[in-house]
Amino acid sequence: EIVLTQSPGTLSLSPGERVTLSCRASQSVASTYLAWYQQKPDQAPRLLIYGASSRATGIPDRFSGSGSGTDFTLTISRLEPEDFAMYYCHHCDGSLWTFGQGTKVEFK
Amino acid sequence: QVQLQESGPGLVRPSGTLSLTCAVFGDSITSNNWWNWVRQPPGKGLEWIGEAHHGGKTNYNPSLKSRVTISVDKSKNQLSLRLSSVTAADMAVYFCARDHQYGDSTWAFDIWGQGTMVTVSS
Repeated sequence: EIVLTQSPGTLSLSPGERVTLSCRASQSVASTYLAWYQQKPDQAPRLLIYGASSRATGIPDRFSGSGSGTDFTLTISRLEPEDFAMYYCHHCDGSLWTFGQGTKVEFK
Repeated sequence: QVQLQESGPGLVRPSGTLSLTCAVFGDSITSNNWWNWVRQPPGKGLEWIGEAHHGGKTNYNPSLKSRVTISVDKSKNQLSLRLSSVTAADMAVYFCARDHQYGDSTWAFDIWGQGTMVTVSS
């Protein structure tokens, strides 16, 4: 079973800053099955990135994804107030989906 | 616009069976998508429970497989979840989600329901 480890656990930042979130897989994974989600309190997750680097419909271009093999990154080029939330990476190995434990982006 | 709506009892007794449904609006349950259940205990992260395809195939989280049944009801255009022998550890917000194919071997959960909280208590 593939384990996804996200780091850091929490990021304390200010609006306007650049954000880099990491997702590391316990073994090499197919990037086509790697996705990122944003979740705000009391809301369902929202798909941001699929296939490691493609933005979902309606997602601002300040969000970008990259990576391959075991190391994947979600970057927010310039943090907006509405971006303070939890972020999860997500992967499927063919028949088993796994989530990372999440990174919280909070106000500094 | 595709929407998913979970429903079911908000309270389940320990050792009982949790049963939820997810109504699908704006898409057919027989489309080329997989339909998933994900849960989130209070204050914790997301846990994938399992998925079903209208063709009859299912995949489950190994940690829950012995207690879970996910099925598709084509006549009602809805997804169902049954989780047996529940304990306090099963208390969570339960989400249904559509697993959509974007391209060759590219899938992601693009549509989510708003979630429903299930409490386990006597």
